[in-house]
Amino acid sequence: DTAVSQTPKYLVTQMGNDKSIKCEQNLGHDTMYWYKQDSKKFLKIMFSYNNKELIINETVPNRFSPKSPDKAHLNLHINSLELGDSAVYFCASSQRLAGGGDTQYFGPGTRLTVL
Amino acid sequence: AQSVTQLDSQVPVFEEAPVELRCNYSSSVSVYLFWYVQYPNQGLQLLLKYLSGSTLVKGINGFEAEFNKSQTSFHLRKPSVHISDTAEYFCAVSDRGGNTGKLIFGQGTTLQVKP
Repeated sequence: DTAVSQTPKYLVTQMGNDKSIKCEQNLGHDTMYWYKQDSKKFLKIMFSYNNKELIINETVPNRFSPKSPDKAHLNLHINSLELGDSAVYFCASSQRLAGGGDTQYFGPGTRLTVL
Repeated sequence: AQSVTQLDSQVPVFEEAPVELRCNYSSSVSVYLFWYVQYPNQGLQLLLKYLSGSTLVKGINGFEAEFNKSQTSFHLRKPSVHISDTAEYFCAVSDRGGNTGKLIFGQGTTLQVKP
């Protein structure tokens, strides 16, 4: 009964491959996010979706394509993986989008290693 | 534009000693303020947040933080730390009037509690 779950937890792949990370939340929230945490633990938002609609795309390369089949799921597909994509990717969700004061609930993270 | 600066990258402290983790922010608009904790190999968890009202905010696990508007600070404190408080702590802001839910994070502070 994990609130925000991600699969897989670890992902090791070769440069040039395509991979996907899945995220699901069972909190009934309207808004979901993807964050990237680099090797120095710096966290930066990549995307946010509200009711399946893309709200934020933070100058992420178009090799990254989020998809939200319904408001409980937000998947991240990455094409042509590069060494610099190695990071921990966190999914998060919040009740609402507007106002900015809602707590964001984070998943356990997916550690992506590109060789 | 908003930015968050956590003034200490690492804070070593002995068990049962008090601790303060410092956070300053810069913003041209009013913000909400958050502290999140990340235990090793886990996702982020909300410690506390300031939305409005009393500037002293109490959170989980005995932590508290004080919002100081004139100094644009939101320092986190705990009077007596435990070994289990060893973790990465992130200060974050979001735009009070925003409609994106975007969180801007600081660089993180590693709290190392020694026996």
